[in-house]
Amino acid sequence: DAKTTQPPSMDCAEGRAANLPCNHSTISGNEYVYWYRQIHSQGPQYIIHGLKNNETNEMASLIITEDRKSSTLILPHATLRDTAVYYCIVRDPIQTSGTYKYIFGTGTRLKVLA
Amino acid sequence: NAGVTQTPKFRILKIGQSMTLQCTQDMNHNYMYWYRQDPGMGLKLIYYSVGAGITDKGEVPNGYNVSRSTTEDFPLRLELAAPSQTSVYFCASSYGQGAGNTIYFGEGSWLTVV
Repeated sequence: DAKTTQPPSMDCAEGRAANLPCNHSTISGNEYVYWYRQIHSQGPQYIIHGLKNNETNEMASLIITEDRKSSTLILPHATLRDTAVYYCIVRDPIQTSGTYKYIFGTGTRLKVLA
Repeated sequence: NAGVTQTPKFRILKIGQSMTLQCTQDMNHNYMYWYRQDPGMGLKLIYYSVGAGITDKGEVPNGYNVSRSTTEDFPLRLELAAPSQTSVYFCASSYGQGAGNTIYFGEGSWLTVV
Protein backbone atom coordinates (compact mmCIF):
# COMPACT_ATOMS: atom_id res chain seq x y z
CA ASP A 1 0.00 0.00 0.00
CA ALA A 2 1.06 3.57 -0.65
CA LYS A 3 2.76 5.24 2.29
CA THR A 4 1.39 8.65 1.28
CA THR A 5 -2.00 10.35 1.26
CA GLN A 6 -3.00 12.96 -1.30
CA PRO A 7 -6.26 14.72 -2.19
CA PRO A 8 -7.84 13.10 -5.24
CA SER A 9 -8.21 16.28 -7.28
CA MET A 10 -7.47 20.01 -7.38
CA ASP A 11 -8.08 22.89 -9.73
CA CYS A 12 -5.76 25.82 -10.30
CA ALA A 13 -6.09 28.96 -12.43
CA GLU A 14 -3.51 29.35 -15.17
CA GLY A 15 -0.64 31.57 -14.08
CA ARG A 16 -1.29 31.01 -10.40
CA ALA A 17 0.73 28.83 -8.05
CA ALA A 18 -0.46 25.26 -7.65
CA ASN A 19 0.15 23.85 -4.16
CA LEU A 20 -0.21 20.09 -3.94
CA PRO A 21 -0.14 18.62 -0.41
CA CYS A 22 0.99 15.17 0.65
CA ASN A 23 0.91 13.39 4.01
CA HIS A 24 3.60 10.81 4.80
CA SER A 25 3.36 10.45 8.56
CA THR A 26 5.18 7.08 8.68
CA ILE A 27 8.24 8.15 6.73
CA SER A 28 11.52 6.94 8.20
CA GLY A 29 14.32 9.29 9.05
CA ASN A 30 16.52 8.61 6.04
CA GLU A 31 13.92 8.16 3.35
CA TYR A 32 13.32 10.72 0.63
CA VAL A 33 10.01 12.07 -0.67
CA TYR A 34 9.72 11.86 -4.45
CA TRP A 35 7.27 13.61 -6.75
CA TYR A 36 6.32 12.40 -10.20
CA ARG A 37 3.60 13.44 -12.58
CA GLN A 38 1.77 11.60 -15.31
CA ILE A 39 0.33 13.51 -18.20
CA HIS A 40 -2.47 11.65 -19.91
CA SER A 41 -1.32 8.54 -21.76
CA GLN A 42 2.36 9.12 -20.99
CA GLY A 43 4.85 7.50 -18.63
CA PRO A 44 5.39 9.07 -15.21
CA GLN A 45 7.86 11.95 -15.26
CA TYR A 46 10.22 12.78 -12.41
CA ILE A 47 9.74 16.24 -10.90
CA ILE A 48 11.72 16.62 -7.69
CA HIS A 49 12.74 14.86 -4.50
CA GLY A 50 13.85 15.92 -1.02
CA LEU A 51 14.88 14.68 2.40
CA LYS A 52 14.40 17.45 4.96
CA ASN A 53 15.39 20.75 3.41
CA ASN A 54 13.28 22.63 0.92
CA GLU A 55 14.26 21.96 -2.67
CA THR A 56 13.81 23.88 -5.91
CA ASN A 57 14.54 23.05 -9.51
CA GLU A 58 13.43 24.35 -12.88
CA MET A 59 10.10 22.56 -12.63
CA ALA A 60 8.93 23.03 -9.05
CA SER A 61 9.65 23.64 -5.39
CA LEU A 62 9.25 21.13 -2.60
CA ILE A 63 8.49 22.24 0.94
CA ILE A 64 8.92 19.58 3.64
CA THR A 65 7.66 20.22 7.18
CA GLU A 66 10.16 20.12 9.99
CA ASP A 67 8.71 16.88 11.39
CA ARG A 68 8.83 15.42 7.82
CA LYS A 69 5.28 14.13 8.11
CA SER A 70 4.01 16.15 5.20
CA SER A 71 5.19 18.06 2.16
CA THR A 72 3.87 20.41 -0.50
CA LEU A 73 4.79 20.51 -4.16
CA ILE A 74 4.59 24.01 -5.60
CA LEU A 75 4.29 24.78 -9.30
CA PRO A 76 4.92 28.53 -9.17
CA HIS A 77 3.13 29.59 -12.37
CA ALA A 78 0.88 26.78 -13.51
CA THR A 79 0.20 26.40 -17.23
CA LEU A 80 -2.34 24.31 -19.09
CA ARG A 81 0.45 21.81 -19.84
CA ASP A 82 0.78 21.15 -16.10
CA THR A 83 -2.61 19.40 -16.10
CA ALA A 84 -1.69 15.89 -14.95
CA VAL A 85 -1.86 13.39 -12.11
CA TYR A 86 0.78 14.16 -9.47
CA TYR A 87 2.18 11.37 -7.34
CA CYS A 88 3.89 11.82 -4.00
CA ILE A 89 6.00 8.74 -3.26
CA VAL A 90 7.93 7.33 -0.35
CA ARG A 91 9.78 4.17 -1.26
CA ASP A 92 8.89 0.91 0.44
CA PRO A 93 11.70 -1.53 1.25
CA ILE A 94 11.37 -5.05 -0.11
CA GLN A 95 12.43 -6.94 3.00
CA THR A 96 13.74 -10.09 1.34
CA SER A 97 16.05 -8.35 -1.10
CA GLY A 98 17.18 -5.10 0.44
CA THR A 99 15.82 -3.20 -2.52
CA TYR A 100 12.99 -0.72 -2.70
CA LYS A 101 9.79 -0.39 -4.62
CA TYR A 102 8.17 2.86 -5.58
CA ILE A 103 4.54 2.69 -4.49
CA PHE A 104 2.30 4.83 -6.64
CA GLY A 105 -1.07 5.57 -5.07
CA THR A 106 -3.85 7.24 -7.02
CA GLY A 107 -2.22 10.68 -6.78
CA THR A 108 -3.80 14.13 -7.17
CA ARG A 109 -5.43 14.97 -10.46
CA LEU A 110 -4.53 18.62 -11.09
CA LYS A 111 -6.56 20.54 -13.62
CA VAL A 112 -5.19 23.91 -14.68
CA LEU A 113 -8.01 26.17 -15.84
CA ALA A 114 -7.68 28.85 -18.52
CA ASN B 1 18.81 10.62 -25.84
CA ALA B 2 16.46 7.63 -25.98
CA GLY B 3 16.19 6.77 -22.25
CA VAL B 4 13.76 3.87 -21.72
CA THR B 5 12.19 2.48 -24.88
CA GLN B 6 9.22 0.11 -24.94
CA THR B 7 7.69 -1.82 -27.80
CA PRO B 8 5.02 -2.34 -28.95
CA LYS B 9 3.01 0.72 -27.98
CA PHE B 10 -0.34 -0.96 -28.66
CA ARG B 11 -1.33 -4.60 -28.92
CA ILE B 12 -4.52 -6.62 -28.94
CA LEU B 13 -4.26 -10.24 -27.82
CA LYS B 14 -6.76 -13.05 -27.80
CA ILE B 15 -7.33 -15.00 -24.60
CA GLY B 16 -4.71 -17.71 -24.25
CA GLN B 17 -2.17 -16.12 -26.58
CA SER B 18 1.33 -15.24 -25.44
CA MET B 19 3.50 -12.24 -26.16
CA THR B 20 6.59 -10.37 -25.04
CA LEU B 21 6.79 -6.68 -24.22
CA GLN B 22 10.25 -5.38 -25.00
CA CYS B 23 12.11 -2.82 -22.89
CA THR B 24 15.56 -1.39 -23.40
CA GLN B 25 17.45 1.43 -21.73
CA ASP B 26 20.60 3.19 -22.85
CA MET B 27 21.56 4.84 -19.56
CA ASN B 28 23.62 1.92 -18.20
CA HIS B 29 21.21 1.60 -15.30
CA ASN B 30 21.52 -1.40 -13.02
CA TYR B 31 17.91 -1.53 -11.86
CA MET B 32 14.93 -2.14 -14.10
CA TYR B 33 11.24 -2.49 -13.32
CA TRP B 34 7.94 -3.45 -14.88
CA TYR B 35 4.74 -1.80 -13.66
CA ARG B 36 1.14 -2.11 -14.76
CA GLN B 37 -1.50 0.57 -14.45
CA ASP B 38 -5.19 -0.21 -14.58
CA PRO B 39 -7.66 2.59 -15.47
CA GLY B 40 -7.89 5.25 -12.75
CA MET B 41 -5.41 3.45 -10.56
CA GLY B 42 -1.80 3.90 -9.52
CA LEU B 43 1.07 1.77 -10.77
CA LYS B 44 1.69 -1.71 -9.40
CA LEU B 45 5.10 -3.40 -9.53
CA ILE B 46 5.13 -6.68 -11.48
CA TYR B 47 8.82 -7.64 -11.53
CA TYR B 48 12.12 -5.94 -11.00
CA SER B 49 15.79 -6.63 -11.64
CA VAL B 50 18.86 -5.43 -9.78
CA GLY B 51 21.28 -6.36 -12.53
CA ALA B 52 21.92 -8.75 -15.40
CA GLY B 53 20.93 -12.28 -14.48
CA ILE B 54 18.97 -11.27 -11.36
CA THR B 55 15.20 -10.81 -11.25
CA ASP B 56 12.58 -10.89 -8.52
CA LYS B 57 8.83 -10.66 -8.07
CA GLY B 58 7.00 -7.48 -7.23
CA GLU B 59 3.43 -7.02 -6.01
CA VAL B 60 1.53 -8.64 -8.91
CA PRO B 61 3.79 -11.19 -10.69
CA ASN B 62 1.23 -13.91 -11.47
CA GLY B 63 0.82 -14.54 -15.19
CA TYR B 64 4.11 -12.88 -16.12
CA ASN B 65 7.75 -13.82 -16.55
CA VAL B 66 10.87 -11.75 -17.06
CA SER B 67 14.51 -12.23 -17.93
CA ARG B 68 17.56 -9.99 -17.77
CA SER B 69 20.33 -11.36 -19.95
CA THR B 70 21.93 -7.94 -20.53
CA THR B 71 22.09 -4.66 -18.63
CA GLU B 72 20.12 -2.91 -21.37
CA ASP B 73 17.16 -5.25 -21.90
CA PHE B 74 14.35 -6.40 -19.61
CA PRO B 75 11.55 -8.12 -21.57
CA LEU B 76 8.22 -9.01 -19.93
CA ARG B 77 6.48 -12.15 -21.14
CA LEU B 78 2.77 -12.80 -20.82
CA GLU B 79 1.87 -16.47 -20.98
CA LEU B 80 -1.74 -17.49 -21.63
CA ALA B 81 -3.15 -13.97 -21.76
CA ALA B 82 -6.29 -13.29 -19.72
CA PRO B 83 -8.72 -10.33 -19.79
CA SER B 84 -7.45 -9.35 -16.33
CA GLN B 85 -4.13 -8.50 -17.97
CA THR B 86 -5.68 -5.72 -20.01
CA SER B 87 -3.70 -2.75 -18.78
CA VAL B 88 -1.01 -0.21 -19.56
CA TYR B 89 2.49 -1.52 -18.91
CA PHE B 90 5.41 0.72 -18.00
CA CYS B 91 9.04 -0.23 -17.96
CA ALA B 92 11.39 1.84 -15.82
CA SER B 93 15.03 1.97 -14.80
CA SER B 94 17.30 3.54 -12.21
CA TYR B 95 21.04 3.69 -11.72
CA GLY B 96 20.92 2.53 -8.13
CA GLN B 97 18.67 2.25 -5.14
CA GLY B 98 20.39 4.58 -2.76
CA ALA B 99 18.37 7.36 -1.23
CA GLY B 100 17.90 10.07 -3.80
CA ASN B 101 18.07 7.83 -6.86
CA THR B 102 15.30 8.55 -9.32
CA ILE B 103 13.66 6.20 -11.76
CA TYR B 104 12.91 6.90 -15.40
CA PHE B 105 9.89 5.54 -17.19
CA GLY B 106 9.16 4.51 -20.73
CA GLU B 107 6.11 5.77 -22.59
CA GLY B 108 4.00 2.71 -21.92
CA SER B 109 2.55 -0.25 -23.79
CA TRP B 110 -1.25 -0.51 -24.08
CA LEU B 111 -2.40 -4.13 -24.03
CA THR B 112 -5.96 -5.33 -24.57
CA VAL B 113 -6.89 -9.00 -24.11
CA VAL B 114 -10.15 -10.01 -25.78
